[in-house]
Amino acid sequence: KNQVEQSPQSLIILEGKNCTLQCNYTVSPFSNLRWYKQDTGRGPVSLTIMTFSENTKSNGRYTATLDADTKQSSLHITASQLSDSASYICVVSAFEGGGADGLTFGKGTHLIIQP
Amino acid sequence: DGGITQSPKYLFRKEGQNVTLSCEQNLNHDAMYWYRQDPGQGLRLIYYSQIVNDFQKGDIAEGYSVSREKKESFPLTVTSAQKNPTAFYLCASSRSGQVIYNEQFFGPGTRLTVL
Repeated sequence: KNQVEQSPQSLIILEGKNCTLQCNYTVSPFSNLRWYKQDTGRGPVSLTIMTFSENTKSNGRYTATLDADTKQSSLHITASQLSDSASYICVVSAFEGGGADGLTFGKGTHLIIQP
Repeated sequence: DGGITQSPKYLFRKEGQNVTLSCEQNLNHDAMYWYRQDPGQGLRLIYYSQIVNDFQKGDIAEGYSVSREKKESFPLTVTSAQKNPTAFYLCASSRSGQVIYNEQFFGPGTRLTVL
């Protein structure tokens, strides 16, 4: 069964500090991996999408890495801001069928930035 | 202003009543999706539609129904048969039904509470 595990479940850091969120997956055959940011009570917004051949992808202060051999991804946030407080969701796609049933969602990491 | 809209933002329902959640998109996307989000869990797929007048069940379709009569609209009905309907419901769309190759765009969500 395809699975996506995210850690930690929750994280509290001070404004201005850096942090790294983890995503481990057992999805096969792998197609791509996405990171979403979800503000409380809102829909998720895409941060990055990485395919098998991409090791690193940045979007402003967000940098995602992918190690397809170990089936691990991380999302690094640099110089955190209060607006970074949100849940971060990892989504992994499998090639089978290509449809919506090929997406596996992680439970998310709840990040709180304190002033 | 392009995007996905969901209404209402908050919905309260008495046990035994059916309710319909609205989802509209003006992105000219072919595919639309409904997800359910519960605390501490990943998004779970309820129904999806790859094209007008066609839709498929997701992982947790029991107690829900949908229609896709227009490209821009994909309403979800939560029936009285759904045993635990209190949740946050998210609608999404993508350019095509081959969602593993296309970015999903999410609406702002509807929070349904059964009294």
